[in-house]
Amino acid sequence: EVQLVQSGAEVKKPGESLKISCKGSGYSFTSYWIGWVRQMPGKGLEWMGIIYPGDSDTRYSPSFQGQVTISADKSISTAYLQWSSLKASDTAMYYCVRCMLTLEFDYWGQGTLVTVSS
Amino acid sequence: QSVLTQPPSVSGAPGQRVTISCTGSSSNIGAGYDVHWYQQLPGTAPKLLIYGNSNRPSGVPDRFSGSKSGTSASLAITGLQAEDEADYYCQSYDSSLSGPNVVFGGGTKLTVL
Repeated sequence: EVQLVQSGAEVKKPGESLKISCKGSGYSFTSYWIGWVRQMPGKGLEWMGIIYPGDSDTRYSPSFQGQVTISADKSISTAYLQWSSLKASDTAMYYCVRCMLTLEFDYWGQGTLVTVSS
Repeated sequence: QSVLTQPPSVSGAPGQRVTISCTGSSSNIGAGYDVHWYQQLPGTAPKLLIYGNSNRPSGVPDRFSGSKSGTSASLAITGLQAEDEADYYCQSYDSSLSGPNVVFGGGTKLTVL
């Protein structure tokens, strides 16, 4: 059974750094793109970027380029989303997704709620 | 403002048929890129409902169907049930000058009356 299991909720202060994770299982982790999707409170879905764990090829949405870093450790089948300096506007639910070649997201993690508040 | 435009809300009575539109442009749906649909039940992660414009993943009831024409796509739900009450999102790919991008519609809240 394909599963994407994300790390737990985080509460951080503005300016702090953060790295959240997404562990894949039940499939060949290095053979599928993994992406990240943001959902701000009460809002819609926004695609942030994707990574191919097989060779770490990474693509970012123009809206998130330079704002976050996506990485992966294929040895432990885990992808990451990282911020160097959080802002209050980063408060959101973040989902990792498995991405098919035709760009549909066929499996979703349970989500990681990130709250940034002073 | 989303690149793909969906109605904010639709509603229908149990048993009825509802449709949700997703309007794009020549740089996304009109360029031939596939449209996918997701269902997000309250408090849960989204779930893939339709992929490749009109294909249903295993386990999705055939009450859900998708279509695409020109610069628009539609999701139809027949035999509406209370459990269908959720947010629905369309998704495609956009190749505009700002850079290649996966894009979502703003979402449509379906209310079952």
